[in-house]
This record gives sequence, C-alpha cells and structure tokens, in this order.
Amino acid sequence: DVKVTQSSRYLVKRTGEKVFLECVQDMDHENMFWYRQDPGLGLRLIYFSYDVKMKEKGDIPEGYSVSREKKERFSLILESASTNQTSMYLCASSFLVGSNQPQHFGDGTRLSIL
Amino acid sequence: DAKTTQPNSMESNEEEPVHLPCNHSTISGTDYIHWYRQLPSQGPEYVIHGLTSNVNNRMASLAIAEDRKSSTLILHRATLRDAAVYYCIPGVNAGNMLTFGGGTRLMVKP
Repeated sequence: DVKVTQSSRYLVKRTGEKVFLECVQDMDHENMFWYRQDPGLGLRLIYFSYDVKMKEKGDIPEGYSVSREKKERFSLILESASTNQTSMYLCASSFLVGSNQPQHFGDGTRLSIL
Repeated sequence: DAKTTQPNSMESNEEEPVHLPCNHSTISGTDYIHWYRQLPSQGPEYVIHGLTSNVNNRMASLAIAEDRKSSTLILHRATLRDAAVYYCIPGVNAGNMLTFGGGTRLMVKP
C-alpha cells in the first residue's frame, strides 16, 4: 500500500515562529501536494510540486513556501506563523502521467498557532 | 471547474445498501468523476473514479448517468466503518489538482 507520512499529528507553535511541516511518500510519485482543511471551507490547495525543485502555487499560497529537494519529500514552511494559520494540514501524492491518477493522503498535521 | 451538488448528510442502517448522489451538470465531456471519502481524524481516501460507463471496485460501485450530469456512489453493504464524509469531484485541474466541495456526511446506524 502507498504510504504518505506526515512528521507530526499535532503541533503547537507561537506567533512569529518559522514552522516546518514534513511529508514523505514511498511510492516514487512525481506529484506532491499540500492542502489545508478548515471547517466550512473544505480542503484548499496551498502548493504542489510535479518534480524535484519544481513548485506551483495553489489557491492560497500567501504566507507559505515549500521545498522539494528529494522526490520522496515535500516540506511546507510557514515563514512567520500567524494565528490565522491554525488549521489541519494535509499532504498528498500521485503519479504525474495520466491526469486522473488517484491522490494518496497522509493523516494530517493539526497545527495550532498561539 | 464543474460545480457539484451533494446532500449535506445522509443516514443508513448497517448492512444495507447506500446510494450517494451527486449532480455535476456543468461537467465537460472529458472530465472524469472522482469520489473520495474522509473518515474521522484521517486524511481523504480515494474510493473510485469513472468517465462514462459504470465502474466497480472492491470498495464501491459508481453509476454514471447517460448524460453525465449526475452520478451515484453505491456502497453495497454499509458498515460502521463507512461512516465518513464522501466527496464527489468532477474533473481535475492542470497538474492533477483536486477541488473538494462540502461533501456528504454519511452516518451509519447499527
């Protein structure tokens, strides 16, 4: 089975801190994605990457950056955390070839910014 | 992007079939219809997808209307473990991006 692993299930940080969320997949997928999920707003795409060192903005990239140095690892960075970034963060991966490849999700990181 | 309409919630009895509807009247001719579900405290999970004809896999069946403006996800025998939010997603954006709507919360009664 495909495994997408997020480094933490729960994380508490302070306003202004630099926060790193890590995601690793074990299926040699080209595509990797970061979403956030908020009540009433559903899942919203922050960034995605289709190759090492490549990144594309999603719907809500402001306040975030990403890093993809290795194919299996995709990091989400909050440069200076703010309370409105308190959310559930979900990482996903999929094959690139064939635009209808299923996405495989991790179990999420629930991030609280105090 | 195609717009979707799903019931906010549905209820089912355990071991009975469940039919989850989705309207996607603005779907384009080449858009696949994807279904995902999200169990409590977990990330979304792929269920099934199809284009025109009905599809079956070990988890569910997907019935697609002839005009493709609606589809129905069928769970043949609901279990308590099937209680989740089910998302219908017509089409994917460039880069294989999914756009999740509000979904249908399925409750399964013992």
